[in-house]
Amino acid sequence: AQTVTQSQPEMSVQEAETVTLSCTYDTSENNYYLFWYKQPPSRQMILVIRQEAYKQQNATENRFSVNFQKAAKSFSLKISDSQLGDTAMYFCAFITDSNYQLIWGAGTKLIIKP
Amino acid sequence: EPEVTQTPSHQVTQMGQEVILRCVPISNHLYFYWYRQILGQKVEFLVSFYNNEISEKSEIFDDQFSVERPDGSNFTLKIRSTKLEDSAMYFCASSAERGEETQYFGPGTRLLVL
Repeated sequence: AQTVTQSQPEMSVQEAETVTLSCTYDTSENNYYLFWYKQPPSRQMILVIRQEAYKQQNATENRFSVNFQKAAKSFSLKISDSQLGDTAMYFCAFITDSNYQLIWGAGTKLIIKP
Repeated sequence: EPEVTQTPSHQVTQMGQEVILRCVPISNHLYFYWYRQILGQKVEFLVSFYNNEISEKSEIFDDQFSVERPDGSNFTLKIRSTKLEDSAMYFCASSAERGEETQYFGPGTRLLVL
Protein backbone atom coordinates (compact mmCIF):
# COMPACT_ATOMS: atom_id res chain seq x y z
CA ALA A 1 0.00 0.00 0.00
CA GLN A 2 1.12 3.53 -0.69
CA THR A 3 1.07 5.73 2.38
CA VAL A 4 2.31 9.04 3.72
CA THR A 5 3.02 9.62 7.41
CA GLN A 6 3.33 13.01 9.01
CA SER A 7 4.25 12.33 12.61
CA GLN A 8 3.81 15.87 13.94
CA PRO A 9 0.12 16.79 14.24
CA GLU A 10 0.97 20.30 15.40
CA MET A 11 4.04 22.52 15.72
CA SER A 12 4.52 25.99 17.04
CA VAL A 13 7.52 28.32 16.60
CA GLN A 14 8.34 31.98 17.05
CA GLU A 15 8.39 34.28 14.06
CA ALA A 16 11.79 34.34 12.28
CA GLU A 17 12.75 30.90 13.58
CA THR A 18 13.46 27.93 11.37
CA VAL A 19 11.12 24.95 11.50
CA THR A 20 11.28 21.49 9.96
CA LEU A 21 8.21 19.41 9.20
CA SER A 22 8.74 15.70 8.80
CA CYS A 23 7.24 13.32 6.27
CA THR A 24 7.87 9.70 5.45
CA TYR A 25 6.23 7.77 2.68
CA ASP A 26 6.00 4.27 1.37
CA THR A 27 5.82 3.09 -2.22
CA SER A 28 7.32 0.25 -4.18
CA GLU A 29 7.57 2.42 -7.29
CA ASN A 30 10.92 3.83 -8.30
CA ASN A 31 9.67 6.88 -10.17
CA TYR A 32 7.52 9.34 -8.24
CA TYR A 33 7.12 12.98 -7.36
CA LEU A 34 6.80 14.50 -3.93
CA PHE A 35 4.98 17.64 -2.94
CA TRP A 36 4.32 19.89 0.00
CA TYR A 37 1.05 21.77 -0.07
CA LYS A 38 0.00 24.53 2.31
CA GLN A 39 -3.58 25.01 3.45
CA PRO A 40 -4.16 28.33 5.28
CA PRO A 41 -7.37 28.98 7.25
CA SER A 42 -9.11 29.87 3.98
CA ARG A 43 -8.69 26.12 3.21
CA GLN A 44 -7.31 26.72 -0.26
CA MET A 45 -4.63 24.16 -1.22
CA ILE A 46 -1.44 25.91 -2.32
CA LEU A 47 1.64 24.23 -3.76
CA VAL A 48 4.75 25.01 -1.73
CA ILE A 49 7.44 22.87 -3.33
CA ARG A 50 7.94 19.71 -5.39
CA GLN A 51 10.73 17.19 -5.75
CA GLU A 52 11.36 14.62 -8.44
CA ALA A 53 12.52 11.32 -6.94
CA TYR A 54 15.14 10.84 -9.65
CA LYS A 55 16.86 14.09 -8.70
CA GLN A 56 19.43 13.93 -5.94
CA GLN A 57 19.52 17.67 -5.44
CA ASN A 58 17.09 18.96 -2.85
CA ALA A 59 14.48 21.39 -4.14
CA THR A 60 14.50 24.96 -2.88
CA GLU A 61 11.90 27.68 -3.25
CA ASN A 62 12.89 30.92 -1.51
CA ARG A 63 12.55 30.29 2.25
CA PHE A 64 11.31 26.73 1.69
CA SER A 65 13.62 23.78 1.13
CA VAL A 66 13.37 20.04 1.41
CA ASN A 67 15.61 17.29 2.72
CA PHE A 68 14.91 14.34 0.45
CA GLN A 69 16.37 11.03 1.58
CA LYS A 70 15.26 8.48 -1.00
CA ALA A 71 16.66 5.40 0.70
CA ALA A 72 14.95 6.33 3.95
CA LYS A 73 11.80 7.44 2.10
CA SER A 74 11.88 10.71 3.95
CA PHE A 75 10.88 14.13 2.63
CA SER A 76 11.04 16.88 5.24
CA LEU A 77 10.21 20.55 4.68
CA LYS A 78 12.34 23.30 6.18
CA ILE A 79 10.93 26.79 6.50
CA SER A 80 13.56 29.44 7.21
CA ASP A 81 12.87 32.86 8.69
CA SER A 82 9.29 31.87 9.41
CA GLN A 83 6.59 34.50 8.96
CA LEU A 84 3.13 34.90 10.45
CA GLY A 85 1.67 34.15 7.02
CA ASP A 86 3.22 30.70 7.15
CA THR A 87 0.62 29.68 9.72
CA ALA A 88 -1.31 26.88 8.01
CA MET A 89 -1.79 23.14 7.67
CA TYR A 90 1.02 21.58 5.68
CA PHE A 91 0.39 18.41 3.72
CA CYS A 92 2.97 16.07 2.28
CA ALA A 93 1.88 14.12 -0.80
CA PHE A 94 3.28 12.06 -3.63
CA ILE A 95 2.23 10.66 -6.97
CA THR A 96 3.72 7.87 -9.05
CA ASP A 97 3.89 7.38 -12.79
CA SER A 98 1.50 4.44 -12.63
CA ASN A 99 -1.56 6.24 -11.27
CA TYR A 100 -3.33 9.54 -11.30
CA GLN A 101 -3.99 10.29 -7.67
CA LEU A 102 -1.99 12.16 -5.10
CA ILE A 103 -1.46 10.17 -1.91
CA TRP A 104 -1.74 12.47 1.11
CA GLY A 105 -0.49 12.63 4.66
CA ALA A 106 -2.70 13.70 7.54
CA GLY A 107 -1.08 17.11 7.75
CA THR A 108 0.86 19.15 10.28
CA LYS A 109 -0.70 22.26 11.77
CA LEU A 110 2.01 24.93 11.93
CA ILE A 111 1.50 27.98 14.10
CA ILE A 112 3.88 30.90 13.84
CA LYS A 113 3.78 33.05 16.98
CA PRO A 114 4.59 36.77 16.93
CA GLU B 1 -1.01 33.54 -13.57
CA PRO B 2 -3.61 30.97 -14.67
CA GLU B 3 -5.57 29.37 -11.88
CA VAL B 4 -8.28 26.82 -11.26
CA THR B 5 -11.61 28.32 -10.26
CA GLN B 6 -14.54 26.68 -8.51
CA THR B 7 -18.14 27.65 -7.94
CA PRO B 8 -19.93 27.95 -5.65
CA SER B 9 -17.59 28.63 -2.76
CA HIS B 10 -20.22 27.38 -0.33
CA GLN B 11 -23.26 25.18 -0.84
CA VAL B 12 -25.85 24.15 1.69
CA THR B 13 -28.31 21.45 0.67
CA GLN B 14 -30.84 19.10 2.15
CA MET B 15 -30.12 15.40 2.40
CA GLY B 16 -31.33 13.60 -0.71
CA GLN B 17 -30.94 16.60 -2.98
CA GLU B 18 -28.70 16.68 -6.03
CA VAL B 19 -25.77 19.07 -6.14
CA ILE B 20 -23.47 20.07 -8.96
CA LEU B 21 -20.07 21.48 -8.17
CA ARG B 22 -18.36 23.37 -10.95
CA CYS B 23 -14.74 23.86 -11.83
CA VAL B 24 -12.87 25.67 -14.57
CA PRO B 25 -9.44 24.06 -14.90
CA ILE B 26 -6.37 25.84 -16.22
CA SER B 27 -6.96 26.27 -19.92
CA ASN B 28 -4.12 24.20 -21.42
CA HIS B 29 -4.39 21.38 -18.89
CA LEU B 30 -5.56 17.95 -19.99
CA TYR B 31 -6.07 16.05 -16.71
CA PHE B 32 -8.72 16.92 -14.18
CA TYR B 33 -9.33 15.67 -10.69
CA TRP B 34 -11.74 15.86 -7.79
CA TYR B 35 -10.63 15.41 -4.19
CA ARG B 36 -12.54 15.86 -0.98
CA GLN B 37 -11.53 16.71 2.55
CA ILE B 38 -13.88 16.01 5.41
CA LEU B 39 -13.22 18.48 8.22
CA GLY B 40 -10.21 17.42 10.24
CA GLN B 41 -9.38 14.47 8.00
CA LYS B 42 -7.02 13.61 5.18
CA VAL B 43 -7.53 14.72 1.64
CA GLU B 44 -9.12 11.86 -0.33
CA PHE B 45 -8.96 11.25 -4.04
CA LEU B 46 -12.29 10.84 -5.79
CA VAL B 47 -11.72 10.69 -9.53
CA SER B 48 -9.48 11.67 -12.40
CA PHE B 49 -10.66 12.52 -15.90
CA TYR B 50 -8.84 12.62 -19.20
CA ASN B 51 -9.92 12.73 -22.82
CA ASN B 52 -13.58 12.88 -21.83
CA GLU B 53 -13.56 9.78 -19.71
CA ILE B 54 -12.77 8.68 -16.19
CA SER B 55 -9.19 7.43 -15.96
CA GLU B 56 -9.19 6.42 -12.32
CA LYS B 57 -11.65 6.49 -9.45
CA SER B 58 -11.59 5.61 -5.78
CA GLU B 59 -13.95 3.47 -3.74
CA ILE B 60 -15.63 6.64 -2.52
CA PHE B 61 -16.71 7.48 -6.06
CA ASP B 62 -19.77 5.26 -6.21
CA ASP B 63 -22.89 5.44 -8.36
CA GLN B 64 -24.03 8.58 -6.53
CA PHE B 65 -21.18 10.52 -8.09
CA SER B 66 -20.61 11.48 -11.69
CA VAL B 67 -18.30 13.84 -13.55
CA GLU B 68 -18.72 15.61 -16.82
CA ARG B 69 -16.98 18.08 -19.05
CA PRO B 70 -20.03 19.63 -20.69
CA ASP B 71 -18.08 22.12 -22.78
CA GLY B 72 -14.49 23.11 -23.47
CA SER B 73 -13.94 24.82 -20.14
CA ASN B 74 -16.10 23.46 -17.32
CA PHE B 75 -15.58 20.27 -15.33
CA THR B 76 -18.40 19.27 -13.00
CA LEU B 77 -18.94 16.88 -10.12
CA LYS B 78 -22.52 15.78 -9.51
CA ILE B 79 -23.71 14.12 -6.35
CA ARG B 80 -27.07 12.59 -7.17
CA SER B 81 -28.63 12.15 -3.75
CA THR B 82 -26.56 13.78 -1.03
CA LYS B 83 -25.97 12.16 2.34
CA LEU B 84 -24.94 13.79 5.60
CA GLU B 85 -21.49 12.22 5.24
CA ASP B 86 -20.96 14.01 1.92
CA SER B 87 -20.40 17.21 3.88
CA ALA B 88 -16.83 18.16 3.06
CA MET B 89 -14.59 20.52 1.17
CA TYR B 90 -14.43 19.49 -2.48
CA PHE B 91 -11.34 20.43 -4.43
CA CYS B 92 -10.94 20.42 -8.16
CA ALA B 93 -7.43 20.18 -9.58
CA SER B 94 -5.86 20.08 -13.01
CA SER B 95 -2.50 19.16 -14.48
CA ALA B 96 -0.87 19.43 -17.87
CA GLU B 97 0.21 15.82 -17.82
CA ARG B 98 -0.30 12.80 -15.61
CA GLY B 99 2.01 11.77 -12.83
CA GLU B 100 5.03 14.01 -13.04
CA GLU B 101 3.09 17.17 -13.54
CA THR B 102 2.00 19.22 -10.57
CA GLN B 103 -1.71 19.25 -9.82
CA TYR B 104 -2.96 22.77 -9.24
CA PHE B 105 -5.94 23.14 -6.96
CA GLY B 106 -8.92 25.40 -6.98
CA PRO B 107 -10.10 27.22 -3.85
CA GLY B 108 -12.62 24.49 -3.04
CA THR B 109 -16.37 24.28 -2.51
CA ARG B 110 -17.55 23.83 1.03
CA LEU B 111 -20.56 21.52 0.91
CA LEU B 112 -22.84 21.17 3.90
CA VAL B 113 -25.59 18.58 3.81
CA LEU B 114 -28.35 19.05 6.38
